[in-house]
Amino acid sequence: DAGVTQSPTHLIKTRGQQVTLRCSPKSGHDTVSWYQQALGQGPQFIFQYYEEEERQRGNFPDRFSGHQFPNYSSELNVNALLLGDSALYLCASSLSSRDTIYFGEGSWLTVV
Amino acid sequence: QKEVEQDPGPLSVPEGAIVSLNCTYSNSAFQYFMWYRQYSRKGPELLMYTYSSGNKEDGRFTAQVDKSSKYISLFIRDSQPSDSATYLCAMDEAAGNKLTFGGGTRVLVKP
Repeated sequence: DAGVTQSPTHLIKTRGQQVTLRCSPKSGHDTVSWYQQALGQGPQFIFQYYEEEERQRGNFPDRFSGHQFPNYSSELNVNALLLGDSALYLCASSLSSRDTIYFGEGSWLTVV
Repeated sequence: QKEVEQDPGPLSVPEGAIVSLNCTYSNSAFQYFMWYRQYSRKGPELLMYTYSSGNKEDGRFTAQVDKSSKYISLFIRDSQPSDSATYLCAMDEAAGNKLTFGGGTRVLVKP
């Protein structure tokens, strides 16, 4: 049973560029959430997708956007990258609102 | 003030000792409490999941929740060097909703 898978594992972008990160949820899960984890800190909730709609959003600017596809996979897009966007981006999946939340290994983004 | 507070450590213990970790929180709406283990440069791995107040035991791990004090704990018995990691507490108002994390406590178990 495949867990939550994310790609790419690592990437380096230049300030001002745009990035897209991808996530496939754990088999059977229909809800995908994205978190940002800066070095030495706990993860912070960005947003959650269910039935291809953004259901909840944390305290992140509109530069952060996402999408969920009919197969429940998801993308996180970040526009106009800032140095402060450098972090580990974690995808988490769950089954609707009745299940525990499982995380992928994350995508390491470095903005230079 | 952060919604969830957690001592960053590092907490260094000898192999075989009991590791004691805790978090305090301010949001009384939190009902679901979790502990995750995170190895360096890896994603968080769910260790314990508890609803409301009480104790839960799973192998060498015991989680305790005291909602009246807004305080949760994780105990690791017979600690092993492989337990060396960062431990994150997380809380949720509703199951599968959105998690609010503490900053993590780094634990070192020395052989």
